Amino acid sequence: KAGVTQTPRYLIKTRGQQVTLSCSPISGHRSVSWYQQTPGQGLQFLFEYFSETQRNKGNFPGRFSGRQFSNSRSEMNVSTLELGDSALYLCASSSRGGSDNEQFFGPGTRLTVL
Amino acid sequence: GENVEQHPSTLSVQEGDSAVIKCTYSDSASNYFPWYKQELGKRPQLIIDIRSNVGEKKDQRIAVTLNKTAKHFSLHITETQPEDSAVYFCAASLNNQAGTALIFGKGTTLSVSS
Repeated sequence: KAGVTQTPRYLIKTRGQQVTLSCSPISGHRSVSWYQQTPGQGLQFLFEYFSETQRNKGNFPGRFSGRQFSNSRSEMNVSTLELGDSALYLCASSSRGGSDNEQFFGPGTRLTVL
Repeated sequence: GENVEQHPSTLSVQEGDSAVIKCTYSDSASNYFPWYKQELGKRPQLIIDIRSNVGEKKDQRIAVTLNKTAKHFSLHITETQPEDSAVYFCAASLNNQAGTALIFGKGTTLSVSS
């Protein structure tokens, strides 16, 4: 099976712009979670989607949003970018619902905000 | 909300020594505790996980212990090798309506010198 893929891999934006990142889960996986990784804060949970519904949301401002399509692919959007949004954005997929299910990570999208 | 504390933040050992990383979590409802290894420039990879109905799990040189009463779990690596050098993250499940969100510790940078 192909692993989790993310596009684009690298992105440079300026403050105030918006950005959309994409994540394709492992075939058959229905859950997609998004994480922000920064050197100081580690991996922070953004949100999780399952069958096109957001099930969990972390403590991020409303500028961060996401959605999931019927084929389980997911996108996240960040509006009005700030310098502090520069980070590696990782998505992870898992096969089913349940809080004890292994998550498989994608390679990430490196976002730089200038 | 759920919080995971991880110690130490850096750990240096000689090849062949053992390494121990410790984590504590705050939500007594958490029931899944994975450990991820992230090499420089790569995605996090699951190395071992433990569920709340088990106190200890071992896989070759790696073992994890869980103390649910104390809300504490640890990663033990024996006979360390230079290729074990990486950042290690512990995580605890966020048990909110059967979601699969994980709350991560801030990571431990392990350096194994030969």
